[in-house]
Amino acid sequence: KQEVTQIPAALSVPEGENLVLNCSFTDSAIYNLQWFRQDPGKGLTSLLLIQSSQREQTSGRLNASLDKSSGRSTLYIAASQPGDSATYLCAVIMNRDDKIIFGKGTRLHILP
Amino acid sequence: KAGVTQTPRYLIKTRGQQVTLSCSPISGHRSVSWYQQTPGQGLQFLFEYFSETQRNKGNFPGRFSGRQFSNSRSEMNVSTLELGDSALYLCASSLPRSQGHYNEQFFGPGTRLTVL
Repeated sequence: KQEVTQIPAALSVPEGENLVLNCSFTDSAIYNLQWFRQDPGKGLTSLLLIQSSQREQTSGRLNASLDKSSGRSTLYIAASQPGDSATYLCAVIMNRDDKIIFGKGTRLHILP
Repeated sequence: KAGVTQTPRYLIKTRGQQVTLSCSPISGHRSVSWYQQTPGQGLQFLFEYFSETQRNKGNFPGRFSGRQFSNSRSEMNVSTLELGDSALYLCASSLPRSQGHYNEQFFGPGTRLTVL
């Protein structure tokens, strides 16, 4: 059974710092992995999708990497801003049946 | 292109009642998935519909059901509501890989259900 873990559950960093969020999964038979952000009480916004054959994807200040064999993905945020404060979730889509499993998220707070 | 829309945005019901939530996917998306989000359990997958057929199902009791119409709009129904059903219900639409896409999930704003 696939399990997706995100550590830490919460993180506070000063504005301007670079930071890394972690996502690990137990079953490497994934089709792709997707990172989202969620603002309080709102829906999820897709940030980056990495196909299982890819190693990384970049969008602006965000860079996501994937190491399928070790069951890990990281989301790197450069030059953090207060507007980056949100909960960040990762999700994997399983190769065999397209089921989607989410981690519980990392709640990020950027200190002005 | 308009995003995923969900109605209503907020709902208050009492135990024992039933509720129907609606989701309209992004135009052209034929796959719709439903999720329940609670502080304790996080995001949990309920079910997925593609071309009016349920394609995947999570581990929820039979009180939770759904359907999809020919225009890809989807509804989710919860019967005999319990206090524990209070949650944010999210739907997402996607273009599945069976159509040569990557199944990237696009979410709506959610329906906040409170059961009293």
